[in-house]
Amino acid sequence: QKEVEQNSGPLSVPEGAIASLNCTYSDRGSQSFFWYRQYSGKSPELIMFIYSNGDKEDGRFTAQLNKASQYVSLLIRDSQPSDSATYLCAVNRGGYGKLTFGQGTILTVHP
Amino acid sequence: DAGVTQSPTHLIKTRGQHVTLRCSPISGHKSVSWYQQVLGQGPQFIFQYYEKEERGRGNFPDRFSARQFPNYSSELNVNALLLGDSALYLCASSDRDREVNEQFFGPGTRLTVL
Repeated sequence: QKEVEQNSGPLSVPEGAIASLNCTYSDRGSQSFFWYRQYSGKSPELIMFIYSNGDKEDGRFTAQLNKASQYVSLLIRDSQPSDSATYLCAVNRGGYGKLTFGQGTILTVHP
Repeated sequence: DAGVTQSPTHLIKTRGQHVTLRCSPISGHKSVSWYQQVLGQGPQFIFQYYEKEERGRGNFPDRFSARQFPNYSSELNVNALLLGDSALYLCASSDRDREVNEQFFGPGTRLTVL
């Protein structure tokens, strides 16, 4: 079992729709959860993080965390073509240690 | 403020050679982490340094080594390069005084081993 798994994708949504990206993790000791966006040929860019159960909203982005189910998701509302990228889920066991990444989900938003 | 910087941007080497990659963290950040990203996969953790000491090491062979300097910049060295070392090498900077370990990535160094 992979430590962090993301929905395999690719995911294609029409412009203006809600894109839903999912991630599960195996380590129950994981404490912090991050979503990164990576455009083709570029480095990952931090979108947001979450560490408490529930929802956290930042603009068009909402991160959701359910530690009991070991599940974290990212919702993108009013998706735009500029949101087309690979989305990476990363988890941290706490403290200042390493990030463990999923394999990424490719999102395409078509006009 | 300037973000994380890395050099060089691209590098082409042949098998058996060694390579040194460099990273400067965001001003005020004292922790640097190195990751390897192979095409189609998420980044894999290689090393973390804080206050010039190694604080974590991933599952990479001893051909990989790193160090951190008094100004918090860092170098990643890879010896006896293999074809499989071809990847994007990412440096991430973090501020350990914050509650959550947000890591900010530099632009990366694209290494090609022929």
